[in-house]
Amino acid sequence: GNSVTQMEGPVTLSEEAFLTINCTYTATGYPSLFWYVQYPGEGLQLLLKATKADDKGSNKGFEATYRKETTSFHLEKGSVQVSDSAVYFCALIDPQTGANNLFFGTGTRLTVIP
Amino acid sequence: NAGVTQTPKFQVLKTGQSMTLQCAQDMNHNSMYWYRQDPGMGLRLIYYSASEGTTDKGEVPNGYNVSRLNKREFSLRLESAAPSQTSVYFCASSDHPPSQLSNQPQHFGDGTRLSIL
Repeated sequence: GNSVTQMEGPVTLSEEAFLTINCTYTATGYPSLFWYVQYPGEGLQLLLKATKADDKGSNKGFEATYRKETTSFHLEKGSVQVSDSAVYFCALIDPQTGANNLFFGTGTRLTVIP
Repeated sequence: NAGVTQTPKFQVLKTGQSMTLQCAQDMNHNSMYWYRQDPGMGLRLIYYSASEGTTDKGEVPNGYNVSRLNKREFSLRLESAAPSQTSVYFCASSDHPPSQLSNQPQHFGDGTRLSIL
């Protein structure tokens, strides 16, 4: 089956610190991988995606590389800002299911303090 | 751009009451989804509609019904609300052609926070 396991939070960092949020997956097919971000009181927004092995998704200073050999898609940012405080969700779509529905991790809450 | 619009934003119900959550998207997307978000569990798929006129069960469909009224609208109904259905509900849509497999990202509404007493 399909599942996503991500690093449990909460994570608290000082401004300008380096961020890593780990994500690993299992899938029956060859999935596409996503990171979504949820700011307080809002819905989920797509942060970045990667659709094949060794692809690197990037956006707003965040990066994640699709590693098929380790079934991982870890999220990184070199220097976090207070405005990055949010909940981050790793997710996958397994195109072979035909449903195009997302399988989500449990989310990791990030708080960045000045 | 409105994107995905959900109504209402908040609702409190008593056990046994019925309720319909509304969702509309203006992106001409084929596929629409309903998720629930619970603490420590991420988002779980309740029902989805791959295209107008079709609906299918997701991971947690019990206690819910859906209607794909037209291409724009996808409603979620609780016929007899239970406290276990207290959650935040998210509607999403994606440009998934019904005849093709796709890996397009989904666009989410802002959610409906539902409390059942």
